[in-house]
Amino acid sequence: DIQMTQSPSSLSASVGDRVTLTCRARQSIGSYLNWYQQKPGKAPKLLIYAASDLQSGVPSRFSGSGSGTDFTLTISSLQPEDFATYYCQQSYSTPITFGPGTKVDIK
Amino acid sequence: QVQLQESGPGLVKPSQTLSLICSVSGGSISSGGYYWSWIRQHPGKGLEWIGYIYYSGSTYYNPSLRSRVIISVDTSKNQFSLRLTSVTAADTAVYYCARTYNKYCDYWGQGTLVTVSS
Repeated sequence: DIQMTQSPSSLSASVGDRVTLTCRARQSIGSYLNWYQQKPGKAPKLLIYAASDLQSGVPSRFSGSGSGTDFTLTISSLQPEDFATYYCQQSYSTPITFGPGTKVDIK
Repeated sequence: QVQLQESGPGLVKPSQTLSLICSVSGGSISSGGYYWSWIRQHPGKGLEWIGYIYYSGSTYYNPSLRSRVIISVDTSKNQFSLRLTSVTAADTAVYYCARTYNKYCDYWGQGTLVTVSS
């Protein structure tokens, strides 16, 4: 299994802040990295696939970058609806594995 | 717009079998191109992929659960299902079904909480 880690585990930020979340894979996974947003009581929502491709309907303030083992999700200007937990997920090989998540809350 | 909906008992006794169905609307499982996944989330925890199935019946399971999991598909009903045998309290979780393309999940059901308790 490919282990995924995320940092930080949580962060506090204000509306309008630029936020960067980090995901790391234990081994190289190319660009096979995806990001999800999950709000309490809701299913995860796909934001970014293939490291940097924006899923249809997702606001352009979300962007992804990276390849190999190190990846980032950036929110350029945090909005009230962005307070949530963010998970990365590798799609390089099965079993599919997720990171432990980063919770973004209001400062 | 593809929609998925999980259904099944919310309470299962220890040692019994957990059975869930995912009903798909807005698209046909038989059209191909997608796998259909089950994923679970323990209370307050992260996401664990259980396995997926193709419309042909081809499956892949997470090795951590492989001995207890069966995922099947019923294309006539546009549904796929999950069976998890010999459950314990550690199987208490929210179970999600999801459409999977290139091993990422683009559409998810709302999730259903299954509690294992006597």
